[in-house]
Amino acid sequence: NAGVTQTPKFQVLKTGQSMTLQCAQDMNHEYMSWYRQDPGMGLRLIHYSVGAGITDQGEVPNGYNVSRSTTEDFPLRLLSAAPSQTSVYFCASSSPGGTGAEQYFGPGTRLTVT
Amino acid sequence: SQQGEEDPQALSIQEGENATMNCSYKTSINNLQWYRQNSGRGLVHLILIRSNEREKHSGRLRVTLDTSKKSSSLLITASRAADTASYFCATGRSSNTGKLIFGQGTTLQVKP
Repeated sequence: NAGVTQTPKFQVLKTGQSMTLQCAQDMNHEYMSWYRQDPGMGLRLIHYSVGAGITDQGEVPNGYNVSRSTTEDFPLRLLSAAPSQTSVYFCASSSPGGTGAEQYFGPGTRLTVT
Repeated sequence: SQQGEEDPQALSIQEGENATMNCSYKTSINNLQWYRQNSGRGLVHLILIRSNEREKHSGRLRVTLDTSKKSSSLLITASRAADTASYFCATGRSSNTGKLIFGQGTTLQVKP
């Protein structure tokens, strides 16, 4: 299993540009989430999904869109990039059940908006 | 706003010593989890403790949970240089959403 994969690893955007961060998992997990990590801030939840076709907002959803058309994929779209969106973005997946909700993280995408 | 606050923000110890990190949270929870992040990498799950549990062990890790004080602690015994990393607590209000709220983390340095 590849686990959770994210592409690209690094990206530089100009203010106002749009782009999609890709996330895929091959563990057949129902739950997927997007977080951003800023220095000294820990991780903040952007959007999450409990299954294909179902998404919901997290703590900091403004400026981001998501969709979940398949179990495997959960792309994050930046509609019009702003310097405040410079961050490291992590995708995570998990599975419901009695063993709990431990999440598996991808390696991250480091985004710089100039 | 973030759910958890961690203390201390940074910790530096010698190899072989024990490291203790604390986490406080604000609302009722279903579970509390601890994650490790090595520099420049993604997070790795360490241990999960449910709201009806008080203590849990996994290898050199010991986690306690006090729901009356809304706090948890992570103890790493006999630390090693390889334990150098950032450690985050995360709380889940339900096991049915995969939604976690993270603390700001404790940066641990273990000197050889």
